Amino acid sequence: KAGVTQTPRYLIKTRGQQVTLSCSPISGHRSVSWYQQTPGQGLQFLFEYFSETQRNKGNFPGRFSGRQFSNSRSEMNVSTLELGDSALYLCASSLGRAGQNEKLFFGSGTQLSVL
Amino acid sequence: GDSVTQMEGPVTLSEEAFLTINCTYTATGYPSLFWYVQYPGEGLQLLLKATKADDKGSNKGFEATYRKETTSFHLEKGSVQVSDSAVYFCALGGATNKLIFGTGTLLAVQP
Repeated sequence: KAGVTQTPRYLIKTRGQQVTLSCSPISGHRSVSWYQQTPGQGLQFLFEYFSETQRNKGNFPGRFSGRQFSNSRSEMNVSTLELGDSALYLCASSLGRAGQNEKLFFGSGTQLSVL
Repeated sequence: GDSVTQMEGPVTLSEEAFLTINCTYTATGYPSLFWYVQYPGEGLQLLLKATKADDKGSNKGFEATYRKETTSFHLEKGSVQVSDSAVYFCALGGATNKLIFGTGTLLAVQP
């Protein structure tokens, strides 16, 4: 069974640009969660999508958005990039809603560098 | 709100040494507790979990006991190996339907 796949693996952008990251969950998983990982802040929750609907959102500005398609694949978009957006973006999938007892399966992440 | 605090690293040990990584939490209700591990260049993997007080999670020689009275979930291993070198994250799954992670602890095991 294929794991969680994130593309691209690395991205270099400049300030003001926008970027789209992609995540393909494990087959059959309906929930996709996104996290931002930085050395100083650790893992910060961005949002969770389940059955094509955003079910939960973290404390990030509106420049961060996402969506989920009918095949459960998810995309995350960041507009008007800032230097502080440089981070590893991790996607995680789970069978049901991410929560108390669900095991999350993580992808290897997309490393975004904003210059 | 819910939060997780874990000891800062890096933790540097010699092979076969005893490992403890401290984790404490703040939460309303009865959360589940997890330890995830991140090897270099990879995403996170679930190491172990416990869903109620006094439960002990264990995997690959690692153990952690859910202590409600001290709101702790410390990770332990009796004899670490070089292959255990990684970043370890304590996490809490509560009523908010999202996992809340600690900042991670880097473990470096030297031969």
